[in-house]
Amino acid sequence: GAVVSQHPSWVICKSGTSVKIECRSLDFQATTMFWYRQFPKQSLMLMATSNEGSKATYEQGVEKDKFLINHASLTLSTLTVTSAHPEDSSFYICSASPGPQPQHFGDGTRLSIL
Amino acid sequence: AQSVAQPEDQVNVAEGNPLTVKCTYSVSGNPYLFWYVQYPNRGLQFLLKYITGDNLVKGSYGFEAEFNKSQTSFHLKKPSALVSDSALYFCAVRDPTYNAGNNRKLIWGLGTSLAVNP
Repeated sequence: GAVVSQHPSWVICKSGTSVKIECRSLDFQATTMFWYRQFPKQSLMLMATSNEGSKATYEQGVEKDKFLINHASLTLSTLTVTSAHPEDSSFYICSASPGPQPQHFGDGTRLSIL
Repeated sequence: AQSVAQPEDQVNVAEGNPLTVKCTYSVSGNPYLFWYVQYPNRGLQFLLKYITGDNLVKGSYGFEAEFNKSQTSFHLKKPSALVSDSALYFCAVRDPTYNAGNNRKLIWGLGTSLAVNP
């Protein structure tokens, strides 16, 4: 149980386009999901907390207009990287939990901006 | 400030030998501690957690971790390493100051790359 699915797993696109990443909790409801960014051989950087039915809470230094988060249902949160540029290339991971802990993670999305 | 330290960027061990991946923490109150493993191009998988109770916690894939309050440590261990254990390991502690409903923010270590040599 407690499966989190993330889609797509890999995306390559041109600079200036917007990319949407989906995070779904398949067998539980999640009022909260977390979005992380991970650079090569580095730790996880929490970008924002996605809250169902309300605005996301962004970490300091994360541009909310750049990384749009929508949590429209109890099983789906989306992260949209708007007007993506090469510096946005990274590995993006979401997590959710049916209870307080532990967090369950999606398999991540490798984003490459050309 | 709340923090987690993984002092080793990389750990190398021969297959069949015991392994230890170190983690120390600094957090107010009672810590909720976690270990996760990440394989290449994958998300993280939960290994084990310490909330309360026995200091020795057993988890998935034969891993265990020992909570040591006096040393503020939560080292990950396995008696006999496998080549398939080669991966990136993350220690995390729940941030006691951050409450997002039922979920709490985790504070992450920088990760330790474990290489098990055949």
